[in-house]
Amino acid sequence: EPEVTQTPSHQVTQMGQEVILRCVPISNHLYFYWYRQILGQKVEFLVSFYNNEISEKSEIFDDQFSVERPDGSNFTLKIRSTKLEDSAMYFCASSVTRILNFGQGTRLTVV
Amino acid sequence: DQQVKQNSPSLSVQEGRISILNCDYTNSMFDYFLWYKKYPAEGPTFLISISSIKDKNEDGRFTVFLNKSAKHLSLHIVPSQPGDSAVYFCAASDDGDSNYQLIWGAGTKLIIKP
Repeated sequence: EPEVTQTPSHQVTQMGQEVILRCVPISNHLYFYWYRQILGQKVEFLVSFYNNEISEKSEIFDDQFSVERPDGSNFTLKIRSTKLEDSAMYFCASSVTRILNFGQGTRLTVV
Repeated sequence: DQQVKQNSPSLSVQEGRISILNCDYTNSMFDYFLWYKKYPAEGPTFLISISSIKDKNEDGRFTVFLNKSAKHLSLHIVPSQPGDSAVYFCAASDDGDSNYQLIWGAGTKLIIKP
């Protein structure tokens, strides 16, 4: 069964550094998303992407965040200058219907 | 603004019995509801969904019930098995949102006791 894959599974970075989280969505899907879950808290929507542009973003998704679909298969989330509070599990998802398929997540630890 | 609420942070159920997980919502524009299951350090896995035009949807051991007037849905798992121990998230989406964005509850940790 096709699945969403995310790399790396765990990323440790120094505060202020840039990180890129990578995702390969399911190939025939049209909608792409990033969500995050801070330890012990709710899953939070960050951004949705459709037709090669951001379709919606949350308040969390500020100027430090960006997304890109550089080659038609990868979908990346970049955090320009990481903060301690960016430490969380980041989940990529894709969909073609109203059911979102999630990847295994990337645990980002900012130290 | 908690549009989707799961008021029980955890639930403990004996193996073989019924597990009932509850979810309430406030936004009357929600018209599609989903349940996801999540193991630690893994991504959420889709379990079952229901459209607002229905009041029940069944898939094997899992049944979701929707009460639109009460803005309440529940997930029934019968019989409960040890592998069902996980965090269960209720999520909702709005037909007016063409991006299919999901609004999530806080989750309920289900523990199945042998």
